[in-house]
Amino acid sequence: QTVVTQEPSFSVSPGGTVTLTCGLNSGSVSTSYYPSWYQQTPGQAPRTLIYSTNTRSSGVPDRFSGSILGNKAALTITGAQADDESDYYCVLYMGSGTSMFGGGTKLTVL
Amino acid sequence: EVLLLESGGGLVQPGGSLRLSCAASGFTFSNYAMSWVRQAPGKGLEWVSVISGSGGNTFYADSVRGRFTISRDYSKNTLYLQMNSLRVEDTAIYYCATKTAVYGSGSHFDFWGQGTLVTVSS
Repeated sequence: QTVVTQEPSFSVSPGGTVTLTCGLNSGSVSTSYYPSWYQQTPGQAPRTLIYSTNTRSSGVPDRFSGSILGNKAALTITGAQADDESDYYCVLYMGSGTSMFGGGTKLTVL
Repeated sequence: EVLLLESGGGLVQPGGSLRLSCAASGFTFSNYAMSWVRQAPGKGLEWVSVISGSGGNTFYADSVRGRFTISRDYSKNTLYLQMNSLRVEDTAIYYCATKTAVYGSGSHFDFWGQGTLVTVSS
């Protein structure tokens, strides 16, 4: 069974840089999975940050960036701010119209 | 401005049925695929289903295939999710979301509604 993997939690200092990753339990993530990233704060709907690996959604600040690092997709936040404290989810396109979410990463800014 | 407004959630007994609606505005409804995503209490997001802009292609997660049916009404600019044979594990907030496309590039989620809560319990 295919599983999309993410770090359960991560911590970053204000102003620091953090990279969250999105992998597969078997195999490598490539641009062909069209990885996308979403931010969700408690009680709110998700917000689209990045799609097609590295394209920022409208209105998303450029301190959020996406890439492929090694065999995983990655979301990098540069100059972390307090309101970046959220849950972050990646999604991979698995073919045949289906998508799969990772388990999410809870990011703490402290 | 894109607006997605879900409705139809509520409390239902195991084995029961419920139909969710998502009223869309601010964009050309037929130009976009639409999807349902759910989130169980305290858990992560789970993709549920997608329907193409034309309505001719539909896909489902294994966990709901055969029980849930996605559809859309172009005269009402509304997306639906008919949920039958509901189980306790279907309890979740259900979000509707737009997608530029069903397949490949553009298959990401663009805009999201605020969600509607479905509780399956006896």
